[in-house]
Amino acid sequence: DQQVKQNSPSLSVQEGRISILNCDYTNSMFDYFLWYKKYPAEGPTFLISISSIKDKNEDGRFTVFLNKSAKHLSLHIVPSQPGDSAVYFCAASGDFNQAGTALIFGKGTTLSVSS
Amino acid sequence: KAGVTQTPRYLIKTRGQQVTLSCSPISGHRSVSWYQQTPGQGLQFLFEYFSETQRNKGNFPGRFSGRQFSNSRSEMNVSTLELGDSALYLCASSQPKTGLRSETQYFGPGTRLLVL
Repeated sequence: DQQVKQNSPSLSVQEGRISILNCDYTNSMFDYFLWYKKYPAEGPTFLISISSIKDKNEDGRFTVFLNKSAKHLSLHIVPSQPGDSAVYFCAASGDFNQAGTALIFGKGTTLSVSS
Repeated sequence: KAGVTQTPRYLIKTRGQQVTLSCSPISGHRSVSWYQQTPGQGLQFLFEYFSETQRNKGNFPGRFSGRQFSNSRSEMNVSTLELGDSALYLCASSQPKTGLRSETQYFGPGTRLLVL
């Protein structure tokens, strides 16, 4: 079963507007969440993260919101730029009584920002 | 700091062969994780090494193995290759913080493996 879900495979936004990418998770043991951006033929690039003790984290144009009761997080990009066009992955990790950290990824959302 | 490097970037093998992929983490990072990305399954965790010890393993068959050296460089090996092993193999490094388990992983560019 998929523990991290990105239900929108794609999103199209105009330059300058807000992009909102959504992610849902099922495992309440997850306590750390990350967003990565990926271009074709490259590895994922870390964007922003949030710990479960917070409900918001901001870094420049990127803000991540976490709603633990709904098991939902979202990434807001404001303003969106054509260079933001890429695949965005949501990832989660948790302390499952074992050493180490494995990231569980969603299937990704392709963001297209048009000028 | 230099980022995570992976070699080779592209590889073509035939069924039944074995392959070894290499990863050099960011300087100072002691944890190296490996992931497989395929169109159907997305990004899936293979295993993690920390201080030369495997401390976490994903749900992959024993044909997939790895190791880590004293300088934190890591290799993964896939034996008896199958067509379904064609994928992008990604390595990620991180430096666990004292008292905190969760840490951010930084990815390399990946090795694209094609099995014919």
